[in-house]
Amino acid sequence: QVQLQESGPGLVKPSQTLSLGCSVSGASLSSDGSSWSWIRQHPGKGLEWIGHIYYSGSTYYNPSLKSRVIMAIDRSKNQFSLILNSVTAADTAVYYCARLYDYVGGSYFDYWGQGTLVTVSS
Amino acid sequence: QSVLTQPPSVSGAPGQRVTISCTGSASNIGAGYDVHWYQLLPGTAPKLFIFGNTYRPSGVPDRVSGSKSGTSASLAITGLQAEDAADYYCQSYDSSLGIWVFGGGTKLTVL
Repeated sequence: QVQLQESGPGLVKPSQTLSLGCSVSGASLSSDGSSWSWIRQHPGKGLEWIGHIYYSGSTYYNPSLKSRVIMAIDRSKNQFSLILNSVTAADTAVYYCARLYDYVGGSYFDYWGQGTLVTVSS
Repeated sequence: QSVLTQPPSVSGAPGQRVTISCTGSASNIGAGYDVHWYQLLPGTAPKLFIFGNTYRPSGVPDRVSGSKSGTSASLAITGLQAEDAADYYCQSYDSSLGIWVFGGGTKLTVL
């Protein structure tokens, strides 16, 4: 049973850095076809893909957030992380970590964490 | 404004059939990228509901089906049950934007 669990502070001050971790159990970060993603959902809104990281450490970010995002992977702990710099109230959202599975026809997010609400407020 | 367009809400009585549409464009669904669907329930991890346009993951009942044609896709649920009440999102890839894209979500209400 593959499980993902987000962790991190629920409150971040404007202009500061949001930092979240995702612990993966039941699967290795090196699984074939896998990359490890962050997705967010603003209150009352739809889902937004933030980016993903491969086991190799290669990353792919949403261009709209690329200047503020850093993702990293900790192979020894089977975890990966998200850093979002210079946050504003517009970054208030539920943040999900998920596995992105690639195949010939496309890719889909097959395992997700429960999500963690991050509020940006002073 | 989401790249993929879904109706904000749909509803149906128990036992009825509902469909949820997902409309894209030539750079995503129309370009041949597969469509996937997710079920979101409050406080729980989102669940992959349909992948590869038509395939059901293990544990999703066979009264659920997906289809794709041209620049659109649909999710159909027959024999509606109270447990089907949830938010549903479609997802694909957009080659023009170079990002993974979602619909705006559809709230399914079982009357």
